[in-house]
Amino acid sequence: EIVLTQSPGTLSLSPGERATLSCRASQSVSSSYLAWYQQKPGQAPRVLIYGASTRATGIPDRFSGSGSGTDFTLTISRLEPEDFAVYYCQQFGSSLLTFGGGTKVEIK
Amino acid sequence: QMQLQESGPGLVKPSETLSLTCTVSGGSISSYYWSWIRQPPGKGLEWIGYLYYSASTNYGSTNYSPSLKSRVTISVDTSKNQFSLRLSSVTAADTAVYYCARGNYDVLTGPWGQGTLVTVSS
Repeated sequence: EIVLTQSPGTLSLSPGERATLSCRASQSVSSSYLAWYQQKPGQAPRVLIYGASTRATGIPDRFSGSGSGTDFTLTISRLEPEDFAVYYCQQFGSSLLTFGGGTKVEIK
Repeated sequence: QMQLQESGPGLVKPSETLSLTCTVSGGSISSYYWSWIRQPPGKGLEWIGYLYYSASTNYGSTNYSPSLKSRVTISVDTSKNQFSLRLSSVTAADTAVYYCARGNYDVLTGPWGQGTLVTVSS
């Protein structure tokens, strides 16, 4: 089973700054099967990125995903107040879905 | 617009079976992957498993997380446009918010239910 490790655990930034979140896999992940989710307090997660770099419907273009193999990145180009949340990466492999532990983006 | 709603007991005793239902409205339960995901309080997300059902071929399949496979059953009731989760022999470690969600086999595209907190306690 592939393990996803996200870093950092917490990212303290100000609105307008750039956020770079990392997701590292214990084995190679097909780029087609890496997704990113955003979860705000008291809400269900929502998908931001799938296929490593494809934005889901309605997701602003300040969100971008990149990477391949074992290293993937979610970048938020300029943080808006509504972007402060927890972000999870997720992979699909061997018919299983697994999530990373999450990165919290908090207001500095 | 499709919506999902979880329902079921909020309190389950240790060693008993947790049972939840997800009601799908605004669309058919056919031809999508329907997942259960849980989140212990203050912790991350854990995928429990999914069910796929196609009305046109009357074909269904399930897939479960290896860590829960021995205790989990996900089933569908097409007449009610619902799918259900049963988790047996629960312990306090199964206390979590349980979400249902629609997706493909590889990603949870949504929508998601709002989630329901299930506490395991005597």
